[in-house]
Amino acid sequence: AQSVSQHNHHVILSEAASLELGCNYSYGGTVNLFWYVQYPGQHLQLLLKYFSGDPLVKGIKGFEAEFIKSKFSFNLRKPSVQWSDTAEYFCAGYSGGYQKVTFGTGTKLQVIP
Amino acid sequence: DVKVTQSSRYLVKRTGEKVFLECVQDMDHENMFWYRQDPGLGLRLIYFSYDVKMKEKGDIPEGYSVSREKKERFSLILESASTNQTSMYLCAWGGPNTGELFFGEGSRLTVL
Repeated sequence: AQSVSQHNHHVILSEAASLELGCNYSYGGTVNLFWYVQYPGQHLQLLLKYFSGDPLVKGIKGFEAEFIKSKFSFNLRKPSVQWSDTAEYFCAGYSGGYQKVTFGTGTKLQVIP
Repeated sequence: DVKVTQSSRYLVKRTGEKVFLECVQDMDHENMFWYRQDPGLGLRLIYFSYDVKMKEKGDIPEGYSVSREKKERFSLILESASTNQTSMYLCAWGGPNTGELFFGEGSRLTVL
């Protein structure tokens, strides 16, 4: 079965620390991958997406993610986090047919000033 | 940007009540979705619709139904609310064949 797994459920970092959130997917063929972010009290919004091409994708607010096909991974990175990055982050995958958008369980990031 | 508006941000209902959650998009998009979001479980698809009067079950449709009489409006119905339906409900529309979703602000339902 297709699945997306996020390894970290709750991450606490100090401001200026580097961030890497893990995401692994289990899909047999072509897959589109996404990272969504939900800031406190706000709606879920797209952070970045990968469809094809350059495996290093850049998103909003200085975030990036790298698609590594051999490792079935799509980890989210940011070199220096800010307090305003405190949010919940969701990885998602899609391989055709809308019912097949699969979300990970989410990672809550808390950035301490 | 397309806006997805959910009618109620917060609702408190009693067990056995009928609950309507409404979602309206301001463009002519065909694909609309209802998810529920629970801590530690991520987002799970309840129902989706790809056109007026069309609906498909998602992963957890039990206890829910939907209505889509007009393209811009997609309603989620809890015929008889139960405490295990206390959750955050998210409506979204999706672009064709990419998996990219655009979400409303969510409706937090508490069933007592």
